[in-house]
Amino acid sequence: GNSVTQMEGPVTLSEEAFLTINCTYTATGYPSLFWYVQYPGEGLQLLLKATKADDKGSNKGFEATYRKETTSFHLEKGSVQVSDSAVYFCALSERGSNYKLTFGKGTLLTVNP
Amino acid sequence: DADVTQTPRNRITKTGKRIMLECSQTKGHDRMYWYRQDPGLGLQLIYYSFDVKDINKGEISDGYSVSRQAQAKFSLSLESAIPNQTALYFCATSDHRGDLYNEQFFGPGTRLTVL
Repeated sequence: GNSVTQMEGPVTLSEEAFLTINCTYTATGYPSLFWYVQYPGEGLQLLLKATKADDKGSNKGFEATYRKETTSFHLEKGSVQVSDSAVYFCALSERGSNYKLTFGKGTLLTVNP
Repeated sequence: DADVTQTPRNRITKTGKRIMLECSQTKGHDRMYWYRQDPGLGLQLIYYSFDVKDINKGEISDGYSVSRQAQAKFSLSLESAIPNQTALYFCATSDHRGDLYNEQFFGPGTRLTVL
């Protein structure tokens, strides 16, 4: 079956630091890949997505590149802000699974001023 | 604004009680989902529905049931609540026309505590 593994948190950074959250996946076919973000007290919202190899998703200064050869979709941001403090989830969906989302366990990011 | 709403937002109940969590959406989406979130476990799919007449079990459906009363409404029931069902519950929707991306839109969540 499908699975997503992302780095365990929590991750604590100072403002303006560089962020990487690693994500690798296992899928039977050719999945679409997502990063969702959950701010405190809220539901999840889509941060970025990529649907084919070498695609780069980007939003709000965050980026992730779909690497089929390494089955990875690592999230990066060059300079984090306090407002980026949240839980980040890597996820995949696949036609063969009726496009249901499979989530990683989430990574809590705390950015200190 | 088109939205996904959940009621109640918080609920404390006792073991053995029947509980219903409700989800409504104004996005016009055909697909709806119920997830459970536990600390350190990510989100696990409980049930999903691709239209009013289509209900499917997810990864962890035991102890739960659902009802799709209309395209816009999808309810989750715990027939006899137990303490290990204490969790944060999310409803989500998606549009079949977005199959390639399957972007899901989440409600704000219901925090359920079973004593």
